[in-house]
Amino acid sequence: DGGITQSPKYLFRKEGQNVTLSCEQNLNHDAMYWYRQDPGQGLRLIYYSQIVNDFQKGDIAEGYSVSREKKESFPLTVTSAQKNPTAFYLCATRQGAEDEQFFGPGTRLTVL
Amino acid sequence: KNEVEQSPQNLTAQEGEFITINCSYSVGISALHWLQQHPGGGIVSLFMLSSGKKKHGRLIATINIQEKHSSLHITASHPRDSAVYICAAPGGDSNYQLIWGAGTKLIIKP
Repeated sequence: DGGITQSPKYLFRKEGQNVTLSCEQNLNHDAMYWYRQDPGQGLRLIYYSQIVNDFQKGDIAEGYSVSREKKESFPLTVTSAQKNPTAFYLCATRQGAEDEQFFGPGTRLTVL
Repeated sequence: KNEVEQSPQNLTAQEGEFITINCSYSVGISALHWLQQHPGGGIVSLFMLSSGKKKHGRLIATINIQEKHSSLHITASHPRDSAVYICAAPGGDSNYQLIWGAGTKLIIKP
């Protein structure tokens, strides 16, 4: 079953705790992305990775960290430095810069 | 940096109506993306086009590269077409980045 898996679908955390969101893909795509979406708003890029062991900051990277140790995995850590972490987080992949982008189902993070 | 604008922001129509959503961008691009976000949050890629027109079922996407403008049309609209439609164009610091439109929220009433 090919695709992009994000887990969990809903995540609750206490303020001040770091939390890691999972994104796994078996599409063999080189590029992976993390987006944040707030209610009624558009997508904002947090981090992206063009290839294993390399990643770049997006427009709103502060308070987030990522790693890309394996081609199929691109976890996102929301740190306590992120001022307003409650949001919908979407992971996406592409084979290359000229290709379609595919999205995972997303994780809704609520920080209490 | 590319700027992407969509119109209208919100659109409500009756079932069966012909729907048009517009997207304009400021910098020349290799291809434009159209995506659909379902009420539950999932996003599906509809089209990626660099010229002319593409059709998939009742959905048609057109692009005019010279005018930097694209349109998404839905024929014989149905309540299940209710969703947010988003266009995106390459831009930013890398050609791997996409600049996203704000989205058009479409509601089709039965």
